[in-house]
Amino acid sequence: AQSVTQLGSHVSVSEGALVLLRCNYSSSVPPYLFWYVQYPNQGLQLLLKYTTGATLVKGINGFEAEFKKSETSFHLTKPSAHMSDAAEYFCAVTLGGSARQLTFGSGTQLTVLP
Amino acid sequence: NAGVTQTPKFQVLKTGQSMTLQCAQDMNHNSMYWYRQDPGMGLRLIYYSASEGTTDKGEVPNGYNVSRLNKREFSLRLESAAPSQTSVYFCASTFRTGGDEQYFGPGTRLTVT
Repeated sequence: AQSVTQLGSHVSVSEGALVLLRCNYSSSVPPYLFWYVQYPNQGLQLLLKYTTGATLVKGINGFEAEFKKSETSFHLTKPSAHMSDAAEYFCAVTLGGSARQLTFGSGTQLTVLP
Repeated sequence: NAGVTQTPKFQVLKTGQSMTLQCAQDMNHNSMYWYRQDPGMGLRLIYYSASEGTTDKGEVPNGYNVSRLNKREFSLRLESAAPSQTSVYFCASTFRTGGDEQYFGPGTRLTVT
């Protein structure tokens, strides 16, 4: 079985500060990993994903994440927060290949302070 | 392309009433999903359809039924609504299961009183 833990249900940063949202997973086989963002009253939008290859993945809006197998982590970072980054962020995992179920973490609400 | 569309956007039901949530995608995707989103619990998979003509249970299927009407449409039915089914429901689709991105609809906010 696979599971996802997001540390911190709420994170606040100042505009211009580093954003770090944490995600740890458990999986019996190499996983595929995703970060999604949800703006208020909207559906989820993919930020970035890791399937195979380079472990540092770059996504939209200046976000990136690094897959660290030894730490079973896939933390999301952005060097400089912008007010428009305020949203809820979800980490998700699925087993590779023909796996059919995407398992989501409980989400992290990011607040950006002026 | 409209992407993934869902109807209705909002619905209020009384306990015991039934309703069907509709989902359609115009991206020629093979797989479709229904999730529910509750505060502090992320998204949980209710049912999915890996391809036209197949459906499978997800993590929380009790109280729901689904129909994959054709490649474009995947509906979710509540036969006898309960207050515990108050939630936001999202439909998603993807070309292939596994590593492909899932595209989400805007959601249906359902309240059961």
